[in-house]
Amino acid sequence: AQKITQTQPGMFVQEKEAVTLDCTYDTSDQSYGLFWYKQPSSGEMIFLIYQGSYDEQNATEGRYSLNFQKARKSANLVISASQLGDSAMYFCAMERGYSGGGADGLTFGKGTHLIIQP
Amino acid sequence: DTEVTQTPKHLVMGMTNKKSLKCEQHMGHRAMYWYKQKAKKPPELMFVYSYEKLSINESVPSRFSPECPNSSLLNLHLHALQPEDSALYLCASSQAQTGREETQYFGPGTRLLVL
Repeated sequence: AQKITQTQPGMFVQEKEAVTLDCTYDTSDQSYGLFWYKQPSSGEMIFLIYQGSYDEQNATEGRYSLNFQKARKSANLVISASQLGDSAMYFCAMERGYSGGGADGLTFGKGTHLIIQP
Repeated sequence: DTEVTQTPKHLVMGMTNKKSLKCEQHMGHRAMYWYKQKAKKPPELMFVYSYEKLSINESVPSRFSPECPNSSLLNLHLHALQPEDSALYLCASSQAQTGREETQYFGPGTRLLVL
């Protein structure tokens, strides 16, 4: 069974500072995908960034980067130059690789509530 | 365009009512998902449809009945729900390319209150 652990229930960060949100995972699968989603209070889950288990380079998407350390089973999200609009719940998630039956669902961590202060 | 739409946005129903949640995507995705999210908890997978066939049912009670009429539409039929079923119901879709991990794109959700 897969497990995602996010150890920071909440974080307060000053605007314009960089933020690192922690995520560790456990899986017996050789092939897997790691994702980060942002969920504002409105409820929609917004896709931020993806890292495949066989990708050698860390993923980057604008102000978001993923610090992937496969041996340590960690996939931390780094947000550079934080903005007030970054205040939200952030979820780390994992999808198994191809299981032979088509698409798989996501397993989510418990989330980190990030608050950006002016 | 990565838009997934869900209707209604809010729904209040009694325990004897029958209602349906609707989800639609026009991205050509062939996998669609239902998740349930209780307050202050992460989403939990309920169902997965792949190429209009139910491929995963996470032991969801039969009072929740999914339906995939075509590749763009996903419904969740609700009957005889309990107050503990009150939650945010999220729909998602992905390409369903076999052999690859998939990015799932979510809709805005339906907030359901069962009285």
